[in-house]
Amino acid sequence: KAGVTQTPRYLIKTRGQQVTLSCSPISGHRSVSWYQQTPGQGLQFLFEYFSETQRNKGNFPGRFSGRQFSNSRSEMNVSTLELGDSALYLCASSKETGLSYEQYFGPGTRLTVT
Amino acid sequence: AQKITQTQPGMFVQEKEAVTLDCTYDTSDPSYGLFWYKQPSSGEMIFLIYQGSYDQQNATEGRYSLNFQKARKSANLVISASQLGDSAMYFCAMSAHGSGNTGKLIFGQGTTLQVKP
Repeated sequence: KAGVTQTPRYLIKTRGQQVTLSCSPISGHRSVSWYQQTPGQGLQFLFEYFSETQRNKGNFPGRFSGRQFSNSRSEMNVSTLELGDSALYLCASSKETGLSYEQYFGPGTRLTVT
Repeated sequence: AQKITQTQPGMFVQEKEAVTLDCTYDTSDPSYGLFWYKQPSSGEMIFLIYQGSYDQQNATEGRYSLNFQKARKSANLVISASQLGDSAMYFCAMSAHGSGNTGKLIFGQGTTLQVKP
């Protein structure tokens, strides 16, 4: 079974630009969660999508948005990039959502904002 | 508020020895899930083991076991017979509770483990 895939793996953007990251979950998984990982803040939850609906959102500004398609693939978008948005962005998929369902992570997209 | 604390920023272990990585958690909800993930230098988070708050027995997965002490709110990861490939960052995580908190894991700051040959 193929794992979670994320594209692109690496990205360099300049301040003020926007970026779109893509995540394909494990086949049959309906939930996709996104996380931002930085050395200073650690792993922080961005949002979660389930059956094309955003069901949960973390404490991030409105510049961070996402969506999910009918095949469960998800994208996240960051507009008006800031230097502080440089991070590893991880997406994770889960069969269902609930306290006992483990999340399987992709390899991440490393975003550098200059 | 829910919180995960990992107090060991870095640890060393000799190859073939066992090592324990500490994790304490804080939550007021009686129902929760605890997870451990491994993150090698490549960046990908690898799921290792899960423990439910109502599970009576400690979880085990191959060389990984979770020492779950509910009263002390601790969920330590034990790796037996360490291998060089175990060198990585290890994260303890807890599923967020509440009806609106789906799909969210709360992570600790992580512990870097280095296995010495």
